[in-house]
Amino acid sequence: DAGVIQSPRHEVTEMGQEVTLRCKPISGHNSLFWYRQTMMRGLELLIYFNNNVPIDDSGMPEDRFSAKMPNASFSTLKIQPSEPRDSAVYFCASSFGELAGMNTEAFFGQGTRLTVV
Amino acid sequence: QQPVQSPQAVILREGEDAVINCSSSKALYSVHWYRQKHGEAPVFLMILLKGGEQKGHDKISASFNEKKQQSSLYLTASQLSYSGTYFCGTEILGALKTSYDKVIFGPGTSLSVIP
Repeated sequence: DAGVIQSPRHEVTEMGQEVTLRCKPISGHNSLFWYRQTMMRGLELLIYFNNNVPIDDSGMPEDRFSAKMPNASFSTLKIQPSEPRDSAVYFCASSFGELAGMNTEAFFGQGTRLTVV
Repeated sequence: QQPVQSPQAVILREGEDAVINCSSSKALYSVHWYRQKHGEAPVFLMILLKGGEQKGHDKISASFNEKKQQSSLYLTASQLSYSGTYFCGTEILGALKTSYDKVIFGPGTSLSVIP
């Protein structure tokens, strides 16, 4: 398997624009996680899905952020409108476990470095 | 709910040992350890479940003291390849005692191994 695939790897956008980050989890994994990493806040869990269903989105900072998982092989994280403080590296991770959550090894994608100017 | 890690940073010479600590203010179901090299994604090292187990991964091992709500990562005879930021992630013990929940990562410990 190619691992967790994220696109784009880098994104530079102007404030106010819509940004969509994409993630393809490892085939067969049933949990998917979106994390945001900054120097100030470290690795923050934004939302996670189990069997394509959002389980916990309490980490989503504002209504400007939304995430979807229409099927087992694809997820998106959308920011609309984007702001400079959204600049960060966004990681997607997937895992397989009997129950919801990261109870087994999670595999991270290479991340999307987002810069909002 | 974010766990506390110590030290924040450590510099070692090759062959030296190090200990990274992770503590929580809440009862834990599990502790997860990941290493992230600069510019790369975090990579899984190990998971420790409640029960006070100890695990090993090459010359890297960890312990979990659920009573103290702490975990420690031990790196022995460090190698240059051990350099990176080490994150512990903690999963709070749920009301059902066996329920899994989200993993919250600590701020990380930067480890640099020099020749």
